[in-house]
Amino acid sequence: AQSVAQPEDQVNVAEGNPLTVKCTYSVSGNPYLFWYVQYPNRGLQFLLKYITGDNLVKGSYGFEAEFNKSQTSFHLKKPSALVSDSALYFCAVRDYGSGNTGKLIFGQGTTLQVKP
Amino acid sequence: DTAVSQTPKYLVTQMGNDKSIKCEQNLGHDTMYWYKQDSKKFLKIMFSYNNKELIINETVPNRFSPKSPDKAHLNLHINSLELGDSAVYFCASSQERRGSTEAFFGQGTRLTVV
Repeated sequence: AQSVAQPEDQVNVAEGNPLTVKCTYSVSGNPYLFWYVQYPNRGLQFLLKYITGDNLVKGSYGFEAEFNKSQTSFHLKKPSALVSDSALYFCAVRDYGSGNTGKLIFGQGTTLQVKP
Repeated sequence: DTAVSQTPKYLVTQMGNDKSIKCEQNLGHDTMYWYKQDSKKFLKIMFSYNNKELIINETVPNRFSPKSPDKAHLNLHINSLELGDSAVYFCASSQERRGSTEAFFGQGTRLTVV
């Protein structure tokens, strides 16, 4: 079965410092991986995705993610964090299990706290 | 224009009542979903429709019934509401159910059962 894990409940970083939010996955074939952000009392916003090709994927708001097949990871990164980046971040994988439903399977979420 | 819109945004109701949440997408997508976000922020798929056809029905009580009158709308009706139904419900849509396209989410409906 496909699954996604985000090992950190919370990540704290100072404004201006680089940030990393970790994600590991388990799939039976080639993964389609996504990152979403949820601001308080808001819906999920799409940040970026990895489908194929270059392992470094660039997305919205200066975020990028690095796909590592050997480590089955898809960590979200940003070179310089902003206070406004503080939010809840979800990693997700598209399901290719039985029935090929295409549903997104989400990790547990990681709260990013950027302090001034 | 909002791509995926849900109504209402907040819903407070008593146990035993029946309520509905509506969802509409103006993106021309073929597939729509309902997700539930619990108090620990965990997101789980409930239902998915593709061109008005039910394709995903996870382990959800029979009290929950989705209805898709057309591919732009997916409503969620809940009978005999229970305290444990309190959660945030998100509607989403994507161009296709297989493949690389991302899903777009509505703003969520916060359901509180008292």
